[in-house]
Amino acid sequence: AQSVAQPEDQVNVAEGNPLTVKCTYSVSGNPYLFWYVQYPNRGLQFLLKYITGDNLVKGSYGFEAEFNKSQTSFHLKKPSALVSDSALYFCAVRDDSNYQLIWGAGTKLIIKP
Amino acid sequence: DVKVTQSSRYLVKRTGEKVFLECVQDMDHENMFWYRQDPGLGLRLIYFSYDVKMKEKGDIPEGYSVSREKKERFSLILESASTNQTSMYLCASYPDGENYGYTFGSGTRLTVV
Repeated sequence: AQSVAQPEDQVNVAEGNPLTVKCTYSVSGNPYLFWYVQYPNRGLQFLLKYITGDNLVKGSYGFEAEFNKSQTSFHLKKPSALVSDSALYFCAVRDDSNYQLIWGAGTKLIIKP
Repeated sequence: DVKVTQSSRYLVKRTGEKVFLECVQDMDHENMFWYRQDPGLGLRLIYFSYDVKMKEKGDIPEGYSVSREKKERFSLILESASTNQTSMYLCASYPDGENYGYTFGSGTRLTVV
């Protein structure tokens, strides 16, 4: 079965430190992978996607994600965290059987000053 | 920028009421979705639509129906609201050929009492 997992419910990082939000996936074919962010009381905003090509994908707000096929992972990263990065982050993968997105449960990122 | 507008940010309804949640997008997107978001469960797909008057069940359609009479509008209907339908409801859209860069509305937080 195709799936996506975000193993951490919450990640705490000090401002200025690098951050990583983890995502692993399971799909039968080539993965289409996505990261979205949700700020409090808002809808989700698209951050970045991997379809094909370079394993390091750059997105909005200074975020990037590294696709690792052997580890079936697509971790979200940022070199220096800001307090304003505090939000809920969702990883998603395309389901090859019906082309819908399968969503992770979300990871709450807290950046402390 | 593409806008997906959900008619209400907060809604309180009584058990047994028929509830209408409206979603309108302004960029001629073919594909529209209704999700509900609950803590720890991520996003769960209720219904989606690939075109006008077309609808498909998602993962949790029970207790819901939808209507898409015009391309820009996708309505979610709770036939007889129940307390277990208290949730955040998110509408999303994307155009054909976009590789799944969804645009989300701000969400409607529905409370059924």
